[in-house]
Amino acid sequence: AQKITQTQPGMFVQEKEAVTLDCTYDTSDPSYGLFWYKQPSSGEMIFLIYQGSYDQQNATEGRYSLNFQKARKSANLVISASQLGDSAMYFCAMREGGQGAQKLVFGQGTRLTINP
Amino acid sequence: NAGVTQTPKFQVLKTGQSMTLQCAQDMNHNSMYWYRQDPGMGLRLIYYSASEGTTDKGEVPNGYNVSRLNKREFSLRLESAAPSQTSVYFCASTKRGGDSSYEQYFGPGTRLTVT
Repeated sequence: AQKITQTQPGMFVQEKEAVTLDCTYDTSDPSYGLFWYKQPSSGEMIFLIYQGSYDQQNATEGRYSLNFQKARKSANLVISASQLGDSAMYFCAMREGGQGAQKLVFGQGTRLTINP
Repeated sequence: NAGVTQTPKFQVLKTGQSMTLQCAQDMNHNSMYWYRQDPGMGLRLIYYSASEGTTDKGEVPNGYNVSRLNKREFSLRLESAAPSQTSVYFCASTKRGGDSSYEQYFGPGTRLTVT
């Protein structure tokens, strides 16, 4: 079974609009973490934001925020005031367990295109 | 401070050839990882090393071996390359295995084609 599901293969958004990228996850481990990475066309992986399963508040990093709904097992990424440079692939990833190496399971990604 | 470096950047192999992908980090991180990314897919974990001297299999280890040479270096070896191993390979590292809030720092990737 898919542990991380990103249901939007592609999204097109007008510049300056807000955009929400969906991510649902599946785990029975009470301790886990959720990450979002950006992969521009140049190919590098850029860390955006992290949410721990025990964190009380939704994570925010600049224009990025994570809408964490634990009961629904969703961790959607919200980008406010989108910019042309936000055009990229976006990956949601999950780490299970609280100890040991940080083994990440990635979703298949969402390709975001920002139109001027 | 170079972060995570990988060599080579590109490689073309014939079926059956062997090669080693090199990875090094200069951030004094304990844990290191190898992932592969197939076209249109997310990354999948091949092998990881929680700390110097230990290695473990990830999700897709078949056809690969790894060596944690020292704290800085973690290599991935393909003993007999197959076309199914055509992919982009990423190395990554994290500060401490036990603190899972730390981001993984990724290298630039190695694009491997097996013909």
